[in-house]
Amino acid sequence: DSGVTQTPKHLITATGQRVTLRCSPRSGDLSVYWYQQSLDQGLQFLIQYYNGEERAKGNILERFSAQQFPDLHSELNLSSLELGDSALYFCASSSGQGVVAFFGQGTRLTVV
Amino acid sequence: AQSVAQPEDQVNVAEGNPLTVKCTYSVSGNPYLFWYVQYPNRGLQFLLKYITGDNLVKGSYGFEAEFNKSQTSFHLKKPSALVSDSALYFCAVRDVNSGGYQKVTFGTGTKLQVIP
Repeated sequence: DSGVTQTPKHLITATGQRVTLRCSPRSGDLSVYWYQQSLDQGLQFLIQYYNGEERAKGNILERFSAQQFPDLHSELNLSSLELGDSALYFCASSSGQGVVAFFGQGTRLTVV
Repeated sequence: AQSVAQPEDQVNVAEGNPLTVKCTYSVSGNPYLFWYVQYPNRGLQFLLKYITGDNLVKGSYGFEAEFNKSQTSFHLKKPSALVSDSALYFCAVRDVNSGGYQKVTFGTGTKLQVIP
């Protein structure tokens, strides 16, 4: 167990809908990272938050947004969902700008 | 730009035999190198990392990796494979001076199949 908790584990929703994925980082970790894992594109970095502030952006679509709350948990919001958004979404956390991050078990999103 | 290559999509090995999962990297400076394992329907689990020092790094579950600067490689090894080692293995790299973990680049993964 990495100590990173993601909910829900599975999510099935229709095109055009909006969903929220939740992540609780390891105790004491200030940085949270979101990744998308799809079959054709591998593991893609989406966005990082550090102690409540956005720190870095990767290949994140404008339809997607995230935030980190004062208790350090984070949410990834995906809107106007398309079939191609179906993927595994991972959250990872690290201490500060730590060298290693630890991953949650992921949320499998299926858009139908 | 940094990159990492895992040249084999799949590696098959008999139980009890040694295993190697290959990884080569490209960074402009010195690398931080990582191996992660992903079991079906699970997240990535950290196995080991190379930052500096001894070229042979030991990690979890009996795995080790050898850093070879001249060949820009960081192959994952285990002396005796177990069926339970069957999983997807990811190599990852970032330049030491590139910033934080968000700069890590992951390989495409190698599926390890250990045959009983």
